[in-house]
Amino acid sequence: SQQGEEDPQALSIQEGENATMNCSYKTSINNLQWYRQNSGRGLVHLILIRSNEREKHSGRLRVTLDTSKKSSSLLITASRAADTASYFCATSDSSGSARQLTFGSGTQLTVLP
Amino acid sequence: EPEVTQTPSHQVTQMGQEVILRCVPISNHLYFYWYRQILGQKVEFLVSFYNNEISEKSEIFDDQFSVERPDGSNFTLKIRSTKLEDSAMYFCASSGQGENIQYFGAGTRLSVL
Repeated sequence: SQQGEEDPQALSIQEGENATMNCSYKTSINNLQWYRQNSGRGLVHLILIRSNEREKHSGRLRVTLDTSKKSSSLLITASRAADTASYFCATSDSSGSARQLTFGSGTQLTVLP
Repeated sequence: EPEVTQTPSHQVTQMGQEVILRCVPISNHLYFYWYRQILGQKVEFLVSFYNNEISEKSEIFDDQFSVERPDGSNFTLKIRSTKLEDSAMYFCASSGQGENIQYFGAGTRLSVL
């Protein structure tokens, strides 16, 4: 099954605008995380939201989680050119040892100056 | 800030050859992981390692793959006989106790010719 599918696949906005990316998943989860990847680089953890949380903020980031719909959204406010990157959601399954991360296919965000 | 380091950044090898990818996780972390990302595709989990043994592995991690923590700092991924389809970025990650926030290295690009 496909876990952690993001939409849109690509998003292009002007600097200063907000960017919203969505993620859907299929299994029961312990938590959901968002990671960022600059081209050709490793993944950088942005924010984690637990399965019993509905919303979380960190700086310009706002994450929501709806476990009934098995979906999450990442909002980046007041975007900057430096936010240009790929953004991935990743889930930790609630079954088993729950430490492996299952990544989505990502949203490529381009912020135009 | 502590970081995960991976060497080499790029490895070119002939099909059928053995390769060893090296990683130095964050020093006080207890969980270690390998992921791979084929160009243009999702990041895929390969294996996790805890307390000197494999704790989880995916179906990708077949008999051609092995991991080792030969000393207190290094964590290696060995591919015994590389295939063309092993060409990918390989990411090492580590995490501590508690929340499963994983810290990724910059990756090793493996090119199998």
